[in-house]
Amino acid sequence: GDSVTQMEGPVTLSEEAFLTINCTYTATGYPSLFWYVQYPGEGLQLLLKATKADDKGSNKGFEATYRKETTSFHLEKGSVQVSDSAVYFCALSDRSGGSNYKLTFGKGTLLTVNP
Amino acid sequence: DAGVTQSPTHLIKTRGQQVTLRCSPKSGHDTVSWYQQALGQGPQFIFQYYEEEERQRGNFPDRFSGHQFPNYSSELNVNALLLGDSALYLCASSWVTRGAGANVLTFGAGSRLTVL
Repeated sequence: GDSVTQMEGPVTLSEEAFLTINCTYTATGYPSLFWYVQYPGEGLQLLLKATKADDKGSNKGFEATYRKETTSFHLEKGSVQVSDSAVYFCALSDRSGGSNYKLTFGKGTLLTVNP
Repeated sequence: DAGVTQSPTHLIKTRGQQVTLRCSPKSGHDTVSWYQQALGQGPQFIFQYYEEEERQRGNFPDRFSGHQFPNYSSELNVNALLLGDSALYLCASSWVTRGAGANVLTFGAGSRLTVL
């Protein structure tokens, strides 16, 4: 079945450092790929998405490129801020069941950014 | 515009009891999905409702059941609670997309269930 493997955390960075969180996936067919973020005490918020190979999703300075050849969707940000501290989830959406998708998530990576 | 609202936010039950969690989808959304997020883990898909029917189901036992109402709101019921059912239960809503592209889910803040 479908699966998502994320870089194990926690990740601790200083403000303005470069961030990479690795994500690889296994899926049949052509999934859509997502990064969600979860701030303490809150639900998940969509950070960015990509629907086909070579698409680049971007939002709030974060970027990720859908790499079909390496089955990867690594999250990057050039300069992190304290406010980026959260748990980040990589996820894929399969197309089984018609147009009603379900998400398969990785285990999440806790990011802490220190001033 | 209200997003996805869930109730209750926190609850405590004992083993063997039953629990009902509620979800109101975002305005304009007609599909509701439920996810279980154990501590330190990613969310796991439980099931999805559309047009008041269960359309897809994850690897969860029959103790987990649900319902969708004509106004698109939904309930998640769990019978015969086990300690392992302690988790954050997330509701997510979306609308059916028939074209190509990703079906983006909007998540609620969740209901934190503790089973003692």
